[in-house]
Amino acid sequence: DVKVTQSSRYLVKRTGEKVFLECVQDMDHENMFWYRQDPGLGLRLIYFSYDVKMKEKGDIPEGYSVSREKKERFSLILESASTNQTSMYLCASKLGQGRQPQHFGDGTRLSIL
Amino acid sequence: AQKVTQAQTEISVVEKEDVTLDCVYETRDTTYYLFWYKQPPSGELVFLIRRNSFDEQNEISGRYSWNFQKSTSSFNFTITASQVVDSAVYFCALVDNAGNMLTFGGGTRLMVKP
Repeated sequence: DVKVTQSSRYLVKRTGEKVFLECVQDMDHENMFWYRQDPGLGLRLIYFSYDVKMKEKGDIPEGYSVSREKKERFSLILESASTNQTSMYLCASKLGQGRQPQHFGDGTRLSIL
Repeated sequence: AQKVTQAQTEISVVEKEDVTLDCVYETRDTTYYLFWYKQPPSGELVFLIRRNSFDEQNEISGRYSWNFQKSTSSFNFTITASQVVDSAVYFCALVDNAGNMLTFGGGTRLMVKP
């Protein structure tokens, strides 16, 4: 079974802080994704990575950056956290293109005070 | 651009009732894949099914069944004899054959009451 592990289930930070959300997968998947989930909006893609050191912007990249130094690890960075970034963040990984399903972590509920 | 619409934001049923979750999609691609995911209160999205655009056969898995109709761009999900453990948010999603990015619907929250 694919295991996608997010470092924290709950996180509370202050406005202006630099925040790191970490995600690790154990199945050697090429592709990794970061989403945020807000009520009524479903999941919206922030960034994804199709290989080490490669990244692509998703639908809502503003205010975020990512890092993929190793294949198994994909980090989401909030450079200067703001209250409108309070949300549930979900990481996923996927093998290959198109038809393969994405496998998700448990999510990190982030609150910015 | 691709779009997935789940018009029902919330459904409440009593245990043992059948319930259908609607999903309508838009895409210009001829080859694409549709997915359903379940998100229980624990938070993790669980993959339920994948369907490709060339296979319109309905699929049944236990109490779950899926109806894919290309003519109406719909991929509806039915739970027969619902149970309390079915309570979750359900997402429908779409990806084209070459793509990596899933387009999700807004989700339907299903509440099954005992």
